[in-house]
Amino acid sequence: DAKTTQPNSMESNEEEPVHLPCNHSTISGTDYIHWYRQLPSQGPEYVIHGLTSNVNNRMASLAIAEDRKSSTLILHRATLRDAAVYYCILTEGSNYQLIWGAGTKLIIKP
Amino acid sequence: EADIYQTPRYLVIGTGKKITLECSQTMGHDKMYWYQQDPGMELHLIHYSYGVNSTEKGDLSSESTVSRIRTEHFPLTLESARPSHTSQYLCASSEFRAGGRTETQYFGPGTRLLVL
Repeated sequence: DAKTTQPNSMESNEEEPVHLPCNHSTISGTDYIHWYRQLPSQGPEYVIHGLTSNVNNRMASLAIAEDRKSSTLILHRATLRDAAVYYCILTEGSNYQLIWGAGTKLIIKP
Repeated sequence: EADIYQTPRYLVIGTGKKITLECSQTMGHDKMYWYQQDPGMELHLIHYSYGVNSTEKGDLSSESTVSRIRTEHFPLTLESARPSHTSQYLCASSEFRAGGRTETQYFGPGTRLLVL
């Protein structure tokens, strides 16, 4: 079972920042937090990952709580092309599988 | 941009037919995966491979089989398709890293299978 909890859906206005929350209260000390997104009719694509410190890349920022029991994916200026299902994932098991939950469906309003 | 390809993109086939879904990657990745995803639902891992001649079953039981004869190629076969096999099948690959926790998976566009 997925070890993360995300809202089923969120709405945001175009060109505004979006904060996507994720709870992972049972995270272990060595679990990385991964974010992927899946655009309509496409395979998932990697967004960002982190362990303890906040992370930034060209797509998004990842803010990780100090106790690591929650994290937030930040899209600084959402566009219509960011409408997708966003998955927050922890690796699991000795072969570090990605265990996928239902994710958050992000709806961007023009 | 990920260089991982799946064919066909869409397949409609009758019950009892044998089908092979193709997946190829040009990134030289050792690890490859097959996921199954029903509409609006989460991804479930059905097969994975650590490299040539390695195949493992994933968390979701599947009647499909896979092979890994070449690094770049990871086909999935259904010997006798049934309506219950109707789903989307996604192939992915990743570069092996010691520890595994930071591996990034790159996905193909998926094959949508409809079995009548």
